[in-house]
Amino acid sequence: DAKTTQPNSMESNEEEPVHLPCNHSTISGTDYIHWYRQLPSQGPEYVIHGLTSNVNNRMASLAIAEDRKSSTLILHRATLRDAAVYYCILGRGDDKIIFGKGTRLHILP
Amino acid sequence: DADVTQTPRNRITKTGKRIMLECSQTKGHDRMYWYRQDPGLGLRLIYYSFDVKDINKGEISDGYSVSRQAQAKFSLSLESAIPNQTALYFCATSDRTLRDEQYFGPGTRLTVT
Repeated sequence: DAKTTQPNSMESNEEEPVHLPCNHSTISGTDYIHWYRQLPSQGPEYVIHGLTSNVNNRMASLAIAEDRKSSTLILHRATLRDAAVYYCILGRGDDKIIFGKGTRLHILP
Repeated sequence: DADVTQTPRNRITKTGKRIMLECSQTKGHDRMYWYRQDPGLGLRLIYYSFDVKDINKGEISDGYSVSRQAQAKFSLSLESAIPNQTALYFCATSDRTLRDEQYFGPGTRLTVT
């Protein structure tokens, strides 16, 4: 299975943009890039996904490198409620998405 | 009301006991999943089901069994609980056309003593 690599933790100041990196050098042509987040004491929550082009939704933006070997989740204006573990996941549409350890994002007031 | 509900939310049981965790969804999705999460680790897939007649093993199915009683209900059973099955258990659902966009329940915290 294609794997992803993320930093264990990151810090950001409240009301500033946050860029969460993910490396996926063994990504295949049909793998989608998904991001989930898990708030404290909650189940994971779907954030965004993309294949080749950058994507935007109400929660975040996803920037995908041209060679697709890396991607960045962008939170445009972090709030304290964005403190969570963020998972970058590759999905092949076969129901077997693999969650790694993710990045624990700390937001400083 | 929550789209994916799990019962119980917390459970303490003894080694050797049989226990069932239940999951219900109102999203109308045909795919359902069971995961476990251990401290400091990501989620690991236990079982998943495409529909009521289709059950598939995930990466850590040993010691677990499942039942898909209806499209909306998917139960996870521990036939004989052991302490290393102490974990947080999550149920999830997805639509057949967006299989990797999964919706998770609030989790069941299970402790086996």
